[in-house]
Amino acid sequence: EAQVTQNPRYLITVTGKKLTVTCSQNMNHEYMSWYRQDPGLGLRQIYYSMNVEVTDKGDVPEGYKVSRKEKRNFPLILESPSPNQTSLYFCASSLWAGRSVNTEAFFGQGTRLTVV
Amino acid sequence: SQKIEQNSEALNIQEGKTATLTCNYTNYSPAYLQWYRQDPGRGPVFLLLIRENEKEKRKERLKVTFDTTLKQSLFHITASQPADSATYLCALDDQAGTALIFGKGTTLSVSS
Repeated sequence: EAQVTQNPRYLITVTGKKLTVTCSQNMNHEYMSWYRQDPGLGLRQIYYSMNVEVTDKGDVPEGYKVSRKEKRNFPLILESPSPNQTSLYFCASSLWAGRSVNTEAFFGQGTRLTVV
Repeated sequence: SQKIEQNSEALNIQEGKTATLTCNYTNYSPAYLQWYRQDPGRGPVFLLLIRENEKEKRKERLKVTFDTTLKQSLFHITASQPADSATYLCALDDQAGTALIFGKGTTLSVSS
């Protein structure tokens, strides 16, 4: 079954304690990205990756890091989480069609993060 | 920068009626537009993609139109059912072709 798997689904942590949210896809997609979703603000892209070892900032990258060492995995790292990073996070993957991401995006189940 | 607006935050209709959701965009001419469904606490699920040279696309009870002159897409659900209750998101490719930009969504409630 084609899927994007995120872990953990729920996480409560304290300010400043480094954490990693994992994301894995089994569709051999080149393109992967991370979004955060907040009430009234919708989905906003944090980082994206067009292929292994190629990553770039989205609209809201401050306070986050990513890496893409393997095609299937795209972890999101919060080096020093703060309360304003409390949010619902989604990983997504899709085929990369030349210059444009013009195919459907597959999303993970989401990670609800609370930073206290 | 490009801007996407889904005009209604919420839409309430009765079972059996047609739901029509609107997505408007500015400052850009996208190559395509996508529609997703999102249930509470879950990831968006792809529904339909329509390209700039297509005026209309259908899938079962769903129909999407794309008017590049008006810079608008309409998303229709015919014979709506309570199970269609969800938030519907429209999305466009950004100008650089490196990301999907999402609207904030319209929450549809279908009552029986």
